[in-house]
Amino acid sequence: AQSVTQLDSQVPVFEEAPVELRCNYSSSVSVYLFWYVQYPNQGLQLLLKYLSGSTLVKGINGFEAEFNKSQTSFHLRKPSVHISDTAEYFCAVTKRDYGGSQGNLIFGKGTKLSVKP
Amino acid sequence: SQTIHQWPATLVQPVGSPLSLECTVEGTSNPNLYWYRQAAGRGLQLLFYSVGIGQISSEVPQNLSASRPQDRQFILSSKKLLLSDSGFYLCAWSVQGRGAGRGTEAFFGQGTRLTVV
Repeated sequence: AQSVTQLDSQVPVFEEAPVELRCNYSSSVSVYLFWYVQYPNQGLQLLLKYLSGSTLVKGINGFEAEFNKSQTSFHLRKPSVHISDTAEYFCAVTKRDYGGSQGNLIFGKGTKLSVKP
Repeated sequence: SQTIHQWPATLVQPVGSPLSLECTVEGTSNPNLYWYRQAAGRGLQLLFYSVGIGQISSEVPQNLSASRPQDRQFILSSKKLLLSDSGFYLCAWSVQGRGAGRGTEAFFGQGTRLTVV
């Protein structure tokens, strides 16, 4: 079975500062990895995903994440945050199966990013 | 393009009352469908998933049930709500089937905030 650990439940940061949201996963099989963002009282929006190839993945809104297989990590980064980045961020994993997936995402508990002026 | 609709957006129900939340997907056929529940500080918990009409898999034992009467319709129900059923319910879909890149991510509805009083 797969599991996801997001090490920080809350991350406060000042506007224009860099930020890193940490995510570690556990799995006995190969996986796909995702980051989603959730604004208050809304659904989840995909930020980026790692399927294969380059371990550095770029997503929307200036975010990027790096897959590190040896450390089983998939940390999310942004070099300069904006007030509008205030939201909750979820790391997720799904089992890689015959090149595709059944799409049963396993989520971490989320990290609330609070960007202060 | 594909869209997912989930309603109602908010719902306040008394303990012991029935529940019916509906989700429909447009612009795709034979999707995988999911119901997730999000409780404060607990991340997203997969409740049910479906790979076809009438095919429902339950991930956790609970007071809820799901049905898929049509290909792109997914319903979450309860006969008698409990206080512990309060939460934010999210419907999602993914592309079904195997092969590189298929079913790799889920697309979420806007969610239903359920408060049981």
